[in-house]
Amino acid sequence: QVHLQQSGPGLVKPSQTLSLTCAISGDSVSSDSAAWNWVRQTPSGGLEWLGRTVYRSKWYYDYTFSMKGRITISPDTSKNQFSLQLNSVAPEDTAIYYCTRMHTTGGHDSWGQGTLVIVSS
Amino acid sequence: TQLTQSPSSLSASIGDRVSITCRASQNIGKSLNWYQQRPGEAPKLLIHTASSLQSGVPSRFSGGGSGTDFTLTINSLQPEDVATYSCQQSYGTPLTFGGGTKVEIK
Repeated sequence: QVHLQQSGPGLVKPSQTLSLTCAISGDSVSSDSAAWNWVRQTPSGGLEWLGRTVYRSKWYYDYTFSMKGRITISPDTSKNQFSLQLNSVAPEDTAIYYCTRMHTTGGHDSWGQGTLVIVSS
Repeated sequence: TQLTQSPSSLSASIGDRVSITCRASQNIGKSLNWYQQRPGEAPKLLIHTASSLQSGVPSRFSGGGSGTDFTLTINSLQPEDVATYSCQQSYGTPLTFGGGTKVEIK
């Protein structure tokens, strides 16, 4: 059974960097049959995929177009976790952030507990 | 790929059969997944690759379709099915979600 445990601050000031970590148990961040994602849910309820990291003999990264230049997803094999950094945040980045696993069979089959991040001074 | 769900909300009686549709803006084959999200919880995968039931999900949930048109069906709606249901395509990046369908009990 895969378990994802998120950690990180719930309040970030505008223009600063949002940083969240997702610790994995029951699987490996280096798995060749999984992708490790960040998804957020806006206050209106919509779900938005932010990006992912995948290991297939080397690391690959995909990011949603609207975030490119602001977002970094990084794996940490020594701690079996992955992280999200979002730079230059604005109030519109206020959302619940989830880490997820997507197995090669399809679908985000494991989700972290979610972190409400509020961007406010 | 844009995903359009309909209806945005529905109200049905216990025991009713409920159907939700998801239309993709391009052919995505069978790369379509369905999620259930109860209030205050993270989304939960119900159906992957259009019609495969995720392990542990009750058999009253089923999915169908391919190409651009997909359907999630709940046979015999139960009180615990009150939730928002969303589709998501895994055909290509950026991965995208539908706008969600809120299901309530009449």
